[in-house]
Amino acid sequence: AAGVIQSPRHLIKEKRETATLKCYPIPRHDIVYWYQQGPGQDPQFLISFYEKMQSDKGSIPDRFSAQQFSDYHSELNMSSLELGDSALYFCASSQGASGRVVNEQFFGPGTRLTVL
Amino acid sequence: RKEVEQDPGPFNVPEGATVAFNCTYSNSASQSFFWYRQDCRKEPKLLMSVYSSGNEDGRFTAQLNRASQYISLLIRDSKLSDSATYLCVVRVSGSARQLTFGSGTQLTVLP
Repeated sequence: AAGVIQSPRHLIKEKRETATLKCYPIPRHDIVYWYQQGPGQDPQFLISFYEKMQSDKGSIPDRFSAQQFSDYHSELNMSSLELGDSALYFCASSQGASGRVVNEQFFGPGTRLTVL
Repeated sequence: RKEVEQDPGPFNVPEGATVAFNCTYSNSASQSFFWYRQDCRKEPKLLMSVYSSGNEDGRFTAQLNRASQYISLLIRDSKLSDSATYLCVVRVSGSARQLTFGSGTQLTVLP
């Protein structure tokens, strides 16, 4: 079965540079979520999109922005990178109007960002 | 205090053992509950959703006690491949769909 695709899988940047992470949700999933997982931490919610509109916002820094495109893929744009931004960035997707209350989220393999 | 609390472990158990993990959540508006497993440096993978009546999937049994705001996961006949970090995950009701994760309980199944 198709899973969530993220690219790149690994990214190395220097301080103050910018980075763009991409996420392709599972086909027919219309909600995309971004999570950040620092070393030894649990995943923290950043932002989500439903039908190409931002639906929820978590602990996303102002230096970061994201959007969802017409094909439902999403991009997380990160500017003025800091050392503390080094983390695993996961994208997850779920179905919005499945009629099920649970709305399970399925995670992509993540992008490991290292800021030097 | 974290919204979702778990015993971090580690739990080291022999193959074939039964092991139970507990989790408590603080937000009474929590609506959906899940157990995810995460292997080192990999993505969280959905193990099972947790329903009010309790549910079972093979060797795994999940229970929910809304009154006590408590969730449990029981693993029977543990296998080496069960070694992972088990994350208790909660979604609050309303328009928000994001997940709130516990810090995870580390399990190592020993031969």
